[in-house]
Amino acid sequence: GAVVSQHPSWVICKSGTSVKIECRSLDFQATTMFWYRQFPKQSLMLMATSNEGSKATYEQGVEKDKFLINHASLTLSTLTVTSAHPEDSSFYICSARDPFSETQYFGPGTRLLVL
Amino acid sequence: DQQVKQNSPSLSVQEGRISILNCDYTNSMFDYFLWYKKYPAEGPTFLISISSIKDKNEDGRFTVFLNKSAKHLSLHIVPSQPGDSAVYFCAASVIKGNKLVFGAGTILRVKS
Repeated sequence: GAVVSQHPSWVICKSGTSVKIECRSLDFQATTMFWYRQFPKQSLMLMATSNEGSKATYEQGVEKDKFLINHASLTLSTLTVTSAHPEDSSFYICSARDPFSETQYFGPGTRLLVL
Repeated sequence: DQQVKQNSPSLSVQEGRISILNCDYTNSMFDYFLWYKKYPAEGPTFLISISSIKDKNEDGRFTVFLNKSAKHLSLHIVPSQPGDSAVYFCAASVIKGNKLVFGAGTILRVKS
């Protein structure tokens, strides 16, 4: 399957700071990437759809000013959690859509802990 | 409103036997269905998918069955192996390649 990487794999930060998470498709170009979050013992919930060269589309209830998404190239999308608070602590996972199979391939995820 | 439901939180199967994971959905607009396997603290790994125009898709030990009238799909793993032990998520989308709606997941334990 296709390879998608995420960096960092885990991060601990103080409340009020901003954290940037990178998602890269390593062996294909992805015009569309997706950002999900998963709380403990819950399913993955879509936060937003990231489209290369245009604004991201956010799901209902997701604050676009708090979760900034940038998809500046065909292989890179970033999610910045601004002014993070303890309730933002979660597992953030990105996926990239393979343009040929249209299958979403997921990154390994980023564990965020806000103290 | 849970549009994709996996009603069995866990399943335990003996090595070599068949594992059957079930998934139900409520949104009749869903047109494409996928199964992912996930280990703790890792991202989901794509297993197999099926379009709504089909009722079966097979890939090695994995077969997905779709019953559109019942809004039900299932994943069969045969023979089950200890390495199959993981959380299995069913996911659906209205358009292939578009945003996915995930079920809650089923923990599969394959005993040797």
